[in-house]
Amino acid sequence: DTGVSQNPRHKITKRGQNVTFRCDPISEHNRLYWYRQTLGQGPEFLTYFQNEAQLEKSRLLSDRFSAERPKGSFSTLEIQRTEQGDSAMYLCASSLDQRTFSNYGYTFGSGTRLTVV
Amino acid sequence: AQSVTQLDSHVSVSEGTPVLLRCNYSSSYSPSLFWYVQHPNKGLQLLLKYTSAATLVKGINGFEAEFKKSETSFHLTKPSAHMSDAAEYFCVVSDPRGGATNKLIFGTGTLLAVQP
Repeated sequence: DTGVSQNPRHKITKRGQNVTFRCDPISEHNRLYWYRQTLGQGPEFLTYFQNEAQLEKSRLLSDRFSAERPKGSFSTLEIQRTEQGDSAMYLCASSLDQRTFSNYGYTFGSGTRLTVV
Repeated sequence: AQSVTQLDSHVSVSEGTPVLLRCNYSSSYSPSLFWYVQHPNKGLQLLLKYTSAATLVKGINGFEAEFKKSETSFHLTKPSAHMSDAAEYFCVVSDPRGGATNKLIFGTGTLLAVQP
């Protein structure tokens, strides 16, 4: 296990279809984050898990979006009834619980690029 | 609310010349600050981080940044640019309070071009 793995790398879908992305974090990391990056912008926070619990969701995460992390291991992000505005790079990151901030370490995956046509 | 402003969307330098990428931050707390680099079709890579220790932070690949509280700045520098430095660079701030989400807030990015 050398990093955060995301699948698929690319997804092209027709508007209105559902899509699901997967993220496999670094095995000992208990925190998992999803970010979205649109063209020409920096990544924006979507949601965060501490183990299996989803503790925060951004207002960017509409009702069409749902994320899960069963058993506190891998996570899935599902988008229902996709819209063209959902086209973006979806990034996953993992880290250890950083209460002491002595070693602040996020590790990002390479992302899933979604294109809605 | 926390935020970062990257003052230049594009910077172009010649190989071997110094690099300066500018970042100003806004935070109600003593922030944690980072610089990340993103090469095309690759993941985000941490260059360096400031977490209230030394104000001059050294990172990978010869990059460094200086935290200046009086100027609310965290500019990224490198003495001599290399062709492989061409990429997009993000200045990032995070809430350092213990137990918080620790979500990262990214700037809009600076695209660095290195001319031969």
